[in-house]
Amino acid sequence: AQSVTQLGSHVSVSEGALVLLRCNYSSSVPPYLFWYVQYPNQGLQLLLKYTTGATLVKGINGFEAEFKKSETSFHLTKPSAHMSDAAEYFCAVSRFSGAGSYQLTFGKGTKLSVIP
Amino acid sequence: DTEVTQTPKHLVMGMTNKKSLKCEQHMGHRAMYWYKQKAKKPPELMFVYSYEKLSINESVPSRFSPECPNSSLLNLHLHALQPEDSALYLCASSPRLAGGEAELFFGEGSRLTVL
Repeated sequence: AQSVTQLGSHVSVSEGALVLLRCNYSSSVPPYLFWYVQYPNQGLQLLLKYTTGATLVKGINGFEAEFKKSETSFHLTKPSAHMSDAAEYFCAVSRFSGAGSYQLTFGKGTKLSVIP
Repeated sequence: DTEVTQTPKHLVMGMTNKKSLKCEQHMGHRAMYWYKQKAKKPPELMFVYSYEKLSINESVPSRFSPECPNSSLLNLHLHALQPEDSALYLCASSPRLAGGEAELFFGEGSRLTVL
C-alpha cells in the first residue's frame, strides 16, 4: 500500500522567507510523487512531479522538490515566499490501477500562510 | 485546450431533489475521475472511468450515480442526498501513460450544499 505523510497541517512564513513543506512517503515500489496546490474555492493545480531521473524537480511559480529515496522524502521548497503562495498544498503518490487509470493518494495537506 | 470544465460551480439542493454535476474535457484523456472534498480535508476518490467504463467505485452510496456518455463527458447524478454530502466535488482526467507517471488534471469543482 502507498501513503504519504505531510508534517505540519499549518505553516506560516514571512514574505521573502524560505518555504519548506515536508512530505514523506511509503511505497513498496518506486513511487511517482506529486505536489498539488489548491487556492481557496478552486480545484487542484499541479506544481511539480517526480517520476524517474533527476531527483531535483523544478515546478511552476519557483517551487522545487527533491526526491530522497534514503529518507523516503519529497519536501517542497521555495527560496522566497510571496503573498500569492498562500494556499493549501497536497503531496500525493500515484500508482497505475489498470485499464489506463491511476490511483492518486493524497496527504492530509498543509496550509501555507504568508505574513506580510 | 488543457482544461477540465465543471458545471455548475455552486449547487444547493434539498434532500428530495434530483440534480446532476457535469464535467467535460477535450484533451483526449481516456480516464476520468470524481473526487469528493470536505472542508480542510484532502480529496477522496469516488469513481474512476477508463475508456468510458466504470473501473473503480470506492464503495460510494447509491445516491451518487456516475455516468460517462462519451470520452469527453462525465456526469454525477445526485438523488436523495443527505446534508453530510455537502462538499466540493472535483472532476479530473488523465492521459494514458505507462506506469503511474500521468498527472491528473482537475477542474475547479462544484460546491454542493444539501439542505
